[in-house]
This record gives sequence, C-alpha cells and structure tokens, in this order.
Amino acid sequence: QVQLVQSGAEVKKPGASLTLSCETSGYTFTSYTIHWVRQAPGQRLEWMGWIQPGRDLTKYSQKFQDRITITRDTSAGTVYLDLGSLTSEDTAVYYCARDDFIHHHFDYWGQGALVTVSS
Amino acid sequence: EIVLTQSPATLSLSPGERATLSCRASQSVTNNYLAWYQHKPGQAPRLLIYGASSRATGIPDRFSGSGSGTDFTLTITRLEPEDFAVYFCQRYDTPPRTFGQGTKVEIK
Repeated sequence: QVQLVQSGAEVKKPGASLTLSCETSGYTFTSYTIHWVRQAPGQRLEWMGWIQPGRDLTKYSQKFQDRITITRDTSAGTVYLDLGSLTSEDTAVYYCARDDFIHHHFDYWGQGALVTVSS
Repeated sequence: EIVLTQSPATLSLSPGERATLSCRASQSVTNNYLAWYQHKPGQAPRLLIYGASSRATGIPDRFSGSGSGTDFTLTITRLEPEDFAVYFCQRYDTPPRTFGQGTKVEIK
C-alpha cells in the first residue's frame, strides 16, 4: 500500500536551517509529484512547493523562493525539504503529500512533522 | 489567489445526525477541481472527495460532495463515532493550490 513516512519533530533556533524527509513506498516513486505543505498554529494549510522525482523538476511558492530547496533520492524513494533562515513564523506542522497525476488532488499524505523554532 | 472560506468553523452534532459543511471560493473553481479531506490529530489527512463529487477509494458512501463554481458542500449523512474530525477543502485547478481553514465536527 502507498505510504509516506516523515521524519520526526524538530526544534530549531532562529536563523538555523531545517531538513525534513518524506520516505515513500508502495508505488513507482518517479511517477508521482510530491508536494510539501505546512500548517502554522491557528492557520490554514499553506502550499510550499513540489518536486517531480522522475524529472528532478521543482517549483516553489514565491513566499519561500529564496530559502527553500526540495530534493529527492531516487534510490531511497525519499523526498527532502530544506528550509533556511528560520524564524518563529516557521513554527508549523509540515506535511508531504502525493499528487494524483491524473486529477492533481493530493491522494496520500505523510503523518506530519512538528517544527518548533524558538530561541 | 483564490481564497476558500469554510463554514461553519465548528459543527456540534450527535452520532447518527447529518453534517453539512460548506466551502465557498472567491472565484470560480475550474472543472470543479475541489477536494475534501478529513484530518484527525496526529494523523495524515485522508482524501475523501475529489472533483467536487467523486468519492476516493475506500470512502464510505455516507460521505458525499456536491456543488460547482464557487459553492461546494460536503455531506455526511449519518455521523459515525470515527467521523468526528476536522474537514478541509482544497482547490487544485490553478497554482498555488489553496486550502480552506477547516471545519471541526465535534461531538455534541
């Protein structure tokens, strides 16, 4: 069965960088786009970016353009989110989600990873 | 950017009752590319409905979606204990994909 398993919770200091992973299984990794979204406390979900693992193509939200990188390890079926220059406003639960390649809704999600940015 | 507004924020109902959740878009959603998800604390969100009215694989038929253009509805005909959760909508017609703020369905 399709699974997206994310790395665990993180605590970071302001100015630091963050790396989260999303390990996939149960399907052909290179065939489906993976998105990263996040939800800050009391806020709605916010799309951050995506990667097409087969082509190593990425697209990022303009909001994060200068400090986000999404990469993949094809041999491990894993996608990574790197986010730099963290501030307290980056405190959120981060999710990876698979894009249904026909209709483009998110058909499977990871369990989420809580990131806390605090001095 | 298209904004999705969900109402009500909280719905207090008893098991067996009917739940009606609304998602309104600030602009028309092309091709009814609107999805609904269920989210329980500490769990991965679960796809319920896509294309405004198509049930995802394995979703019970007590869940149904309807609507078009700017007004969409998720209906749960008879609430089961496991249905008490947060529900959010998402549009995926044009980037950036945006989400509603969620409706919490709680036990009355």
